[in-house]
Amino acid sequence: EPEVTQTPSHQVTQMGQEVILRCVPISNHLYFYWYRQILGQKVEFLVSFYNNEISEKSEIFDDQFSVERPDGSNFTLKIRSTKLEDSAMYFCASREITGLGGYTFGSGTRLTVV
Amino acid sequence: DAKTTQPPSMDCAEGRAANLPCNHSTISGNEYVYWYRQIHSQGPQYIIHGLKNNETNEMASLIITEDRKSSTLILPHATLRDTAVYYCIVRSLQGAQKLVFGQGTRLTINP
Repeated sequence: EPEVTQTPSHQVTQMGQEVILRCVPISNHLYFYWYRQILGQKVEFLVSFYNNEISEKSEIFDDQFSVERPDGSNFTLKIRSTKLEDSAMYFCASREITGLGGYTFGSGTRLTVV
Repeated sequence: DAKTTQPPSMDCAEGRAANLPCNHSTISGNEYVYWYRQIHSQGPQYIIHGLKNNETNEMASLIITEDRKSSTLILPHATLRDTAVYYCIVRSLQGAQKLVFGQGTRLTINP
């Protein structure tokens, strides 16, 4: 079964450093998403991406966040200057452009900011 | 997006049917009901979705009331591996169609 692949599975970074989280969506999917989940809290929407541009973003997704699809397969989330409160699981998801099928989520990247 | 209400936790014996309720009284006519689950800290996993008819797949059944204000997810023969947080989500067909997760129901399957 097709999978969404995320790397790395765990990243530890110092406060103030930049991190890039990587995702390889399912190949025929055209909508891409990033979600995050702070430990013990609910899954929160960050941003959606379609046709090489952001289609919707939440208030969490401020100027320190950016997304990019640098080539035909990768989808990245960059956090420019990490804060302690950015520590969370970050999930990438993708879905087909048509139909009502479910989203497919990756297994996540656990980001720890120290 | 319409809000959903779910009980915070439920228990079920292994081998029994697990029935997870969800209220979505403000659902609009073109919104679908989706169910996902999250096992431990893994990524959410799609289970099933429906509009107004009952649906069944290899994982579960979804029963939606006639007025569409509530639904029930049924896991017919629960196993220990079904222990997870289950999310009932109403999905808009407009815009980016993002999923809005609530707190879900923590289902524990007991041996």
